[in-house]
Amino acid sequence: DTGVSQDPRHKITKRGQNVTFRCDPISEHNRLYWYRQTLGQGPEFLTYFQNEAQLEKSRLLSDRFSAERPKGSFSTLEIQRTEQGDSAMYLCASSLGTGTYEQYFGPGTRLTVT
Amino acid sequence: AQSVTQLGSHVSVSEGALVLLRCNYSSSVPPYLFWYVQYPNQGLQLLLKYTSAATLVKGINGFEAEFKKSETSFHLTKPSAHMSDAAEYFCAVHMDTGRRALTFGSGTRLQVQP
Repeated sequence: DTGVSQDPRHKITKRGQNVTFRCDPISEHNRLYWYRQTLGQGPEFLTYFQNEAQLEKSRLLSDRFSAERPKGSFSTLEIQRTEQGDSAMYLCASSLGTGTYEQYFGPGTRLTVT
Repeated sequence: AQSVTQLGSHVSVSEGALVLLRCNYSSSVPPYLFWYVQYPNQGLQLLLKYTSAATLVKGINGFEAEFKKSETSFHLTKPSAHMSDAAEYFCAVHMDTGRRALTFGSGTRLQVQP
């Protein structure tokens, strides 16, 4: 299967610890997105990459959050000094760059901060 | 600003009955519209998309949606519900204004009763 993959699927961490998530997009997709989804809500946009360039960041992306896509392929999302409010599902999506807008989502990483 | 409203956070139907999930959007420019389905602890799967080619859009699993500009609606329907349709459904909008993110509604949980 060549869909979007995310690792880990689940992460439990203690408040104050740092966590890092990885996303591997569909191989020919040059756009990559991160979203956050809390219980009972739709996904909310965090940030977007075109190739290796981070072109857009949401106000939801506080200073404790950082995302990279160093070679324009996989991406990482790091959360420093986690807080209980960071508990959510973190979703990665990818899309082709030319004239299409549908995004294909990975299975998500569920973060629980205790 | 763009927004998506999904009326009814929970919808319950009997197996074999018509499914109707409502989505209204606000947009100052012609939008691209999407419906996604999410099964428990999974990512989002694209059901169908509207990209201005045709107002009635057919998707996977027997779902379809009709774009009505005058009503700013994009309701999702299926003639006959199946038990396997039980899931969370999200309507999303992308506006061709340079932003790449999708804006999601808060979702509708569909229950299918035997």
